Amino acid sequence: EAGVVQSPRYKIIEKKQPVAFWCNPISGHNTLYWYRQNLGQGPELLIRYENEEAVDDSQLPKDRFSAERLKGVDSTLKIQPAELGDSAVYLCASTVGGGVTDTQYFGPGTRLTVL
Amino acid sequence: AQSVAQPEDQVNVAEGNPLTVKCTYSVSGNPYLFWYVQYPNRGLQFLLKYITGDNLVKGSYGFEAEFNKSQTSFHLKKPSALVSDSALYFCAVRSISGGYNKLIFGAGTRLAVHP
Repeated sequence: EAGVVQSPRYKIIEKKQPVAFWCNPISGHNTLYWYRQNLGQGPELLIRYENEEAVDDSQLPKDRFSAERLKGVDSTLKIQPAELGDSAVYLCASTVGGGVTDTQYFGPGTRLTVL
Repeated sequence: AQSVAQPEDQVNVAEGNPLTVKCTYSVSGNPYLFWYVQYPNRGLQFLLKYITGDNLVKGSYGFEAEFNKSQTSFHLKKPSALVSDSALYFCAVRSISGGYNKLIFGAGTRLAVHP
């Protein structure tokens, strides 16, 4: 079974430029998560989708971040414009459902460097 | 609010010796606890979880963890460490108390196993 796929793996951009990350969850997984992992810290949730619906986006900085999950499968996370403080690893995870005991399976992440 | 503490930034162990990576948590309802491992430039890999029942949980790669409700701890253990176990380990907790349904991660503990 294929795991969570993310691309690109690495991205280097100048500040104020836009950037987008793509995630393909495990087949059949209805719930998709985006996390941000700053250096030396654990991941922090940005947004959670149940199928196409964003059910928890309270931690998403909406002035510059946006996300979509059209058709309830793939998802894209966008930053526009990027700031120096956005440098981090962006992780995507998926589960079959959104249950509190469900195991989240993570992709390899996209390492973003903003210069 | 939910929180997780991993009191040690790094744990050093000689190969063949037992290892323990500590984790304590704070939640207002029933805790659901998880351990993940992260290798360089890779996403988080699930090791094990505690939902209910037996306090000793066995997981992947010979790891186990013991849930202790009175001490609010969920320490990760392995009887005999391998050099290949060297990685970054994250403890995480989730609870639905008060409608709060996020997986909260600790800051991580780096495990170094020396030959």
